[in-house]
Amino acid sequence: AQKITQTQPGMFVQEKEAVTLDCTYDTSDPSYGLFWYKQPSSGEMIFLIYQGSYDQQNATEGRYSLNFQKARKSANLVISASQLGDSAMYFCAMRGSNYKLTFGKGTLLTVNP
Amino acid sequence: DAGVTQSPTHLIKTRGQQVTLRCSPKSGHDTVSWYQQALGQGPQFIFQYYEEEERQRGNFPDRFSGHQFPNYSSELNVNALLLGDSALYLCASSRPGVHNTEAFFGQGTRLTVV
Repeated sequence: AQKITQTQPGMFVQEKEAVTLDCTYDTSDPSYGLFWYKQPSSGEMIFLIYQGSYDQQNATEGRYSLNFQKARKSANLVISASQLGDSAMYFCAMRGSNYKLTFGKGTLLTVNP
Repeated sequence: DAGVTQSPTHLIKTRGQQVTLRCSPKSGHDTVSWYQQALGQGPQFIFQYYEEEERQRGNFPDRFSGHQFPNYSSELNVNALLLGDSALYLCASSRPGVHNTEAFFGQGTRLTVV
C-alpha cells in the first residue's frame, strides 16, 4: 500500500520569500514517481514537478524545486520568490507499480503581500 | 495542443438518478484515470482505463463504471446517485508505465446531488 502524508494543513509566506511544503511517503515499491500539484479555488489540478525514485538529482521547474531525500522518504516542495498567485492548495502524490496516483490531504498556502 | 478536457463543468442531479461524465485526454496520451475529490480532501482514485479496458480500480462500489473509446476518450458513469457522491470528479491522462513523468488533469466536473 502507498501512503502520502502532508503534515501542514496551512502555511503562510510573505511575498517574494521562499517556502517549503512538506511531504513524506511510504511504499514497498522499488520504483515510483512523486508529483506535486497546485489546485486553485477553480478546482483544476495543475502539474508542477515530478521526481523519479531513481533520479540522482533533485527536480527543478522554474521557481519550483523538489527536495528529494530517499532515505527519509521525503519529497518536499520548495517555492522560491513566492507570488500572490501562488496562493492555492498544494498536493503531493505518488505513483507506484499499481499505476494509480495516491494523494496526500494537501497544504493550503497563503501568500501575504 | 489541447490539454485534458472534461464535460460538463458543473452538474446538478437528484438522488437516485444516473450521470455520465466525459473526458478527452491530452494528445499523445492513451491512459485515462478518474478521481473523486470530496470537499477538503485529496483526490481518491476510482479507476484507470488503458486500451479500452479497466486496468486498475480503487475502492468504489459497482455503481461507478466507465468506458474508454478507441480514440482514448473516456466516460465515467454513476448510477443510483447518493448525496455522498457530491464531489469534484477529475480526469487525468498519461502514457502507460510507472516511469512516465506526465499525469495531467482536466478542470474537473463538479457534481452536486440534491
